[in-house]
Amino acid sequence: ETGVTQTPRHLVMGMTNKKSLKCEQHLGHNAMYWYKQSAKKPLELMFVYSLEERVENNSVPSRFSPECPNSSHLFLHLHTLQPEDSALYLCASSQPGLGPTEQFFGPGTRLTVL
Amino acid sequence: GQQLNQSPQSMFIQEGEDVSMNCTSSSIFNTWLWYKQDPGEGPVLLIALYKAGELTSNGRLTAQFGITRKDSFLNISASIPSDVGIYFCAGQAISGNTPLVFGKGTRLSVIA
Repeated sequence: ETGVTQTPRHLVMGMTNKKSLKCEQHLGHNAMYWYKQSAKKPLELMFVYSLEERVENNSVPSRFSPECPNSSHLFLHLHTLQPEDSALYLCASSQPGLGPTEQFFGPGTRLTVL
Repeated sequence: GQQLNQSPQSMFIQEGEDVSMNCTSSSIFNTWLWYKQDPGEGPVLLIALYKAGELTSNGRLTAQFGITRKDSFLNISASIPSDVGIYFCAGQAISGNTPLVFGKGTRLSVIA
């Protein structure tokens, strides 16, 4: 496997379900990100982890709970979601340093909340 | 917060035509990135720009970092059907760990 992988690629869940999205990066990066992509909106940054510590949480509702057990893996735990949470959830990774940062994205998980 | 205005929102062109899209910002960026997203996939980085005035090519794609550091454009020459997708600009205000700011994207359709 190379690059950034995400599983599952598609997920349909009810509002009372609990599910988790998984992201794995094989690039040796030390920062990982969760984005939400809704139709006709810019990509919305949700969470940033750098060296396995959360460094940004953009006022995301508590029904989304991230977990970063190591620098290669990132999870997004979902609980009691709403239909408006249906979107494409993208994971990205980067290697921050003193210079500019390029983020590399996974293929995304298409989430539908019924 | 910072916002990027990306235009046009969508465009339909004939195969073989050249394409131009741009992004503008009310504030200065130190890095501009251009991504392409195919249906059902994540964005893929096309070109990264690091210096004001920089002009960088990647095959038929050319992107420029505006002199004012508040804008960037992407040109695609001699378009082909596989150029179809959504093109996003992204800017980073300060190098390093600051978040990227994304435009809303330009949806490109190519008519064969």
